[in-house]
Amino acid sequence: SQTIHQWPATLVQPVGSPLSLECTVEGTSNPNLYWYRQAAGRGLQLLFYSVGIGQISSEVPQNLSASRPQDRQFILSSKKLLLSDSGFYLCAWSATGNTIYFGEGSWLTVV
Amino acid sequence: AQTVTQSQPEMSVQEAETVTLSCTYDTSESNYYLFWYKQPPSRQMILVIRQEAYKQQNATENRFSVNFQKAAKSFSLKISDSQLGDTAMYFCAFMKHLRNYGGSQGNLIFGKGTKLSVKP
Repeated sequence: SQTIHQWPATLVQPVGSPLSLECTVEGTSNPNLYWYRQAAGRGLQLLFYSVGIGQISSEVPQNLSASRPQDRQFILSSKKLLLSDSGFYLCAWSATGNTIYFGEGSWLTVV
Repeated sequence: AQTVTQSQPEMSVQEAETVTLSCTYDTSESNYYLFWYKQPPSRQMILVIRQEAYKQQNATENRFSVNFQKAAKSFSLKISDSQLGDTAMYFCAFMKHLRNYGGSQGNLIFGKGTKLSVKP
């Protein structure tokens, strides 16, 4: 069966510091991969999606970036965090593009 | 643009009883998908049930079923025999179908959620 893992689960970072969240999927090949963000009291917002290695599409302009160095690995990064980057980040995958499965999520607090 | 509305911010139900969560959406698309996701205190987003708009038959997954009314753009979730573990935030979500790749780029449009509490 397919599994998705992301880490770290929680992190507290100072403003201006870099960020790296990592996500891997097991049990499937060539998945679509996604990064979502959930701000406090709100639903999820799609940040990035990828349909293949090196192929990244951005839905929301911001100081975050994403990379897909391997088929089942998806990384969310920032060179300099802002206070507004705080939130709950979820990695997700789909096989066909029409059903999305989410990872455990990562809590980011920028202080 | 598509919108999803959940009009019940909070609901409660007694254990073993049935509860229905409401969801309405607005779209001009004819082909799309609708979902209910559950987010327990652990915060992981868990897929509960999925409905394809072109299918008239309502989806069912064990104790969870939906009432999909396409003309009314309504998509309610019924939870039967409620259990304490059903306590969670429930999100209704919409995804439009794209012709290429046979799917979508994954842009789920979420409602604001309904907080469900199951009481012993």
